[in-house]
Amino acid sequence: DAKTTQPTSMDCAEGRAANLPCNHSTISGNEYVYWYRQIHSQGPQYIIHGLKNNETNEMASLIITEDRKSSTLILPHATLRDTAVYYCIVRAGGSQGNLIFGKGTKLSVKP
Amino acid sequence: GAGVSQSPRYKVAKRGQDVALRCDPISGHVSLFWYQQALGQGPEFLTYFQNEAQLDKSGLPSDRFFAERPEGSVSTLKIQRTQQEDSAVYLCASRSGQGDFKLFFGSGTQLSVL
Repeated sequence: DAKTTQPTSMDCAEGRAANLPCNHSTISGNEYVYWYRQIHSQGPQYIIHGLKNNETNEMASLIITEDRKSSTLILPHATLRDTAVYYCIVRAGGSQGNLIFGKGTKLSVKP
Repeated sequence: GAGVSQSPRYKVAKRGQDVALRCDPISGHVSLFWYQQALGQGPEFLTYFQNEAQLDKSGLPSDRFFAERPEGSVSTLKIQRTQQEDSAVYLCASRSGQGDFKLFFGSGTQLSVL
């Protein structure tokens, strides 16, 4: 599976949009981009995933560049409860096996 | 159940003791995963089951670690002769089937080996 690169940490003001970038320049055509987050003392939580089209759900939006080499997770109106580590993971569709987590981005939402 | 349940939430063991960590996945979920998470690090894969079959145990750090899922639902991760380096949070996750990788995680068991 393709490797991902994320900034170590980011800050965001409460109520503003949080834009979390992820680079996956070696992504293959059948690999999806997944985002998870982990709030302190909890297990990781699935947020969203996509292949090449932009995706939106009740939690976030996922913007994937046309060449698919990078993506951005957008939390439109960040709250203090969005403070967490956010993981960007690339995984082939339809395959078995596990997800490989990196170190993620520590997002701190500040009042 | 409504989500993945893990017990105990916290476990303190003396070095050399054996421990057993339990995971109750979401009912009907075919796949079950165990991860180990050290402080400040991302979760590291340990092992994976599809129903009762253990399909991948490549992440188990030593032969002191053993996992089972005999009836394809509840799973137990056993660590024999615990060492201080085994101190970590052990996370369990389940997934409904093949296809996407939407995993549902429990809150984990925090193991401290003294």
